[in-house]
Parts: sequence; C-alpha cells; structure tokens
Amino acid sequence: QKEVEQDPGPLSVPEGAIVSLNCTYSNSAFQYFMWYRQYSRKGPELLMYTYSSGNKEDGRFTAQVDKSSKYISLFIRDSQPSDSATYLCAMSLPPTSETSGSRLTFGEGTQLTVNP
Amino acid sequence: DGGITQSPKYLFRKEGQNVTLSCEQNLNHDAMYWYRQDPGQGLRLIYYSQIVNDFQKGDIAEGYSVSREKKESFPLTVTSAQKNPTAFYLCASSTHGSGGRYMRTYGYTFGSGTRLTVV
Repeated sequence: QKEVEQDPGPLSVPEGAIVSLNCTYSNSAFQYFMWYRQYSRKGPELLMYTYSSGNKEDGRFTAQVDKSSKYISLFIRDSQPSDSATYLCAMSLPPTSETSGSRLTFGEGTQLTVNP
Repeated sequence: DGGITQSPKYLFRKEGQNVTLSCEQNLNHDAMYWYRQDPGQGLRLIYYSQIVNDFQKGDIAEGYSVSREKKESFPLTVTSAQKNPTAFYLCASSTHGSGGRYMRTYGYTFGSGTRLTVV
C-alpha cells in the first residue's frame, strides 16, 4: 500500500467551476503538507505549503489539512483554462536532526483539464 | 534569477551506454534530489544529498550513481545496469529552516526535467 494515495483522474471541468483535489495518507507522523502544480513537460512548482491541520488560502487556491482523517485537499475557485495541469500532493515527516531536512513523499498526481 | 538548470532537455541512450544528466542550482540550497517520473507511478526518489560529499540512496537507486563535489552541482549517471531507463528525470533542491530549532524543509524547487529515451 502506498503511503500517499491520490486519484490520478483525469478530471475535466468547465471554466469557472470549483475544483476539489484530494489525497489520503497512512503515516500519522506526516507534519508538513504541500501542493505542486506541473504543466506538461515541465518540472513541478510549489503552490501551497501548510503545517499541521487547518486551512490556508492564497488567491483562488485553498489548502485544507485534516490530520484526524489523514486527508488533505486543494480547492480551486473560479477555475481557468490556465489551471489545466497535473497537481501533486506531497508531505514530509518532522526532521530528525538539527542539520538535515526531511524527504518529501509525493502522491501520483491528478491530471486536471479546465475547458473554456 | 535563481533557479535549477537541468541539461540536456532531451537525451537518447543506446543499449549498454552510460549517460550523465546535469543539475546545477544557484539558490544556495543545501539539499539536492533526483526523481524519476513515469506515467501512473508519480515521483520516485533515486538519490538525495543533504550536504557536499555525502549522498543517500532513495527508493530506486539500482542502476544509478551520483556525486556531490560542489554545493551547486548534483549530476546523475544512468548506467547500463538500469534496465528500463526511459523516463522523465527531475532534479530538485531545498533549503531548511534554522534558528536554534530542528531544520525544516520548506518544500522543493524543481528543474525543468530531462527526458531520457533508450534507442
């Protein structure tokens, strides 16, 4: 069983729709949660970064973390054709030393298409 | 502008040949990573390095080798021992928070990737 599960889609929505992307995870020790956006043939770029449970909003994007359910979400309001991309969730454990950071564990990615 | 540069963008490898993928960053990041991305598999970690002259195997290190002689550079060699090398390879780097507390990774910055094809 994968540590992080993400529905690969594809997901197709009309322009202006609210999009909900989700990931579940099995390791309750994960503490930092991220969403990346990846356009075709490009490297992923960091969209949102959250720590522990709660919501974080940035423009049309809202990231939500529910640690009790081991479930994270990314909401996109007023979706645009330029939002068409693959969205990857990622999470990491707390660092184990003062001199090293933590590895990220990625979901498989959800392919989103927003139709004009 | 700071960033990560991967080269070449496209690479073709013949059977039995070793090839090296370049990754250079000018972000002054301590840690660097190599991932392989295949359809339906997501990102899989090949190798990572937290500091110069030190690196660790990731989940799929067999058939690959790396070096970290300079902070800015983390080249990946795909050897002939890697039986299925056709994939999209991504290099990333990260910085860690400090200030008297345990280091925290503030996400990764990725390069644009190298698409490797066996011919």
